[in-house]
Amino acid sequence: KNQVEQSPQSLIILEGKNCTLQCNYTVSPFSNLRWYKQDTGRGPVSLTIMTFSENTKSNGRYTATLDADTKQSSLHITASQLSDSASYICVASAGRGYQKVTFGTGTKLQVIP
Amino acid sequence: EAQVTQNPRYLITVTGKKLTVTCSQNMNHEYMSWYRQDPGLGLRQIYYSMNVEVTDKGDVPEGYKVSRKEKRNFPLILESPSPNQTSLYFCASSFTGATEAFFGQGTRLTVV
Repeated sequence: KNQVEQSPQSLIILEGKNCTLQCNYTVSPFSNLRWYKQDTGRGPVSLTIMTFSENTKSNGRYTATLDADTKQSSLHITASQLSDSASYICVASAGRGYQKVTFGTGTKLQVIP
Repeated sequence: EAQVTQNPRYLITVTGKKLTVTCSQNMNHEYMSWYRQDPGLGLRQIYYSMNVEVTDKGDVPEGYKVSRKEKRNFPLILESPSPNQTSLYFCASSFTGATEAFFGQGTRLTVV
């Protein structure tokens, strides 16, 4: 069964600090892994997408890493801002052609002044 | 501006009264999907479409219908809504199944 597990479930950090969110996935055959940011009540917005051959990808202050051997990914946020407060969702895709996507339940991040 | 537009944003309805949530994208994407999001469960796929007239069930299709008569539109139909369909619904589109998906703003549906 395809699964995506994220940790921690929630996190509170001070503005300006860094943080790292974790994602473990079990999907087969693995195709790509994505990170989305979702503000409360809004649609998710794509941050990064990585295939099995990519180890790291950055989008501004967001850097995602992927270890296809251990089936783990992380999202590192540098110099956090209040606007980073949101849920961060890890999504793993499997298959060829149309791809089955499996969503994690997200990490809710709160950045406080 | 590239976007996925859902309507309505909010809807309160009664059990059994048929309703349609519309979804339209202006990016010429082939792939479109519907998801529901419930607390603690994450996003779950209801239906998806790989192209015009090609649709298939996702993980939670019971109680829903879709159609894809045009590339840009992918409406979600609830023939006889029930309270367990109270949820936040998202439509998404992408060029292929392997590329990033663009999500609509969401439709918060309450069935009483």
